[in-house]
Amino acid sequence: QQQVKQSPQSLIVQKGGISIINCAYENTAFDYFPWYQQFPGKGPALLIAIRPDVSEKKEGRFTISFNKSAKQFSLHIMDSQPGDSATYFCAASGRSNYQLIWGAGTKLIIKP
Amino acid sequence: DAMVIQNPRYQVTQFGKPVTLSCSQTLNHNVMYWYQQKSSQAPKLLFHYYDKDFNNEADTPDNFQSRRPNTSFCFLDIRSPGLGDAAMYLCATSRDIGRNYEQYFGPGTRLTVT
Repeated sequence: QQQVKQSPQSLIVQKGGISIINCAYENTAFDYFPWYQQFPGKGPALLIAIRPDVSEKKEGRFTISFNKSAKQFSLHIMDSQPGDSATYFCAASGRSNYQLIWGAGTKLIIKP
Repeated sequence: DAMVIQNPRYQVTQFGKPVTLSCSQTLNHNVMYWYQQKSSQAPKLLFHYYDKDFNNEADTPDNFQSRRPNTSFCFLDIRSPGLGDAAMYLCATSRDIGRNYEQYFGPGTRLTVT
């Protein structure tokens, strides 16, 4: 019940296309859903996060869509650029759990 | 500008030889975390300090210890590294504990065990 399932494991998108990464969770106590971006040889960095009181959050080219009833959330990267090539992790946490529960990660490659 | 600094960036140690990794922060955050990240996997929380209070995750091996002598510094000690301990070790900080507080990660130390 503590798991966050992330898919796909890897993704190749053409430059200018839309990259979509999906996550699903079971624990209804989760109420904070961040996405982290990690470049090779670097630590993860918070990209964007959402709480379940909204169904969508947009920051620049990055959008989180959240479906509370389905217990799913996804990251959409519009107009994907080669510089977006990185590993993306979704995560979740809740009021009673300080720990981030991480998805397995998606390696995204944007082809020029 | 560096906010969470880890040294060294690369560390090679021999099987069974103790090793210490260091982390420092300029953010004056209360909480410091140590994560282990193996290739193509998500970070795994080993332990965290809330100020001087140490909190060990239940499945963290006894081989891993930590020290936080002051607010700015935190150390990860691996008493007897095994081949399975080869990984990237990430330090992170947050202003306080819980989901309202973003975790800021350092660049990591890549540990190789020979």
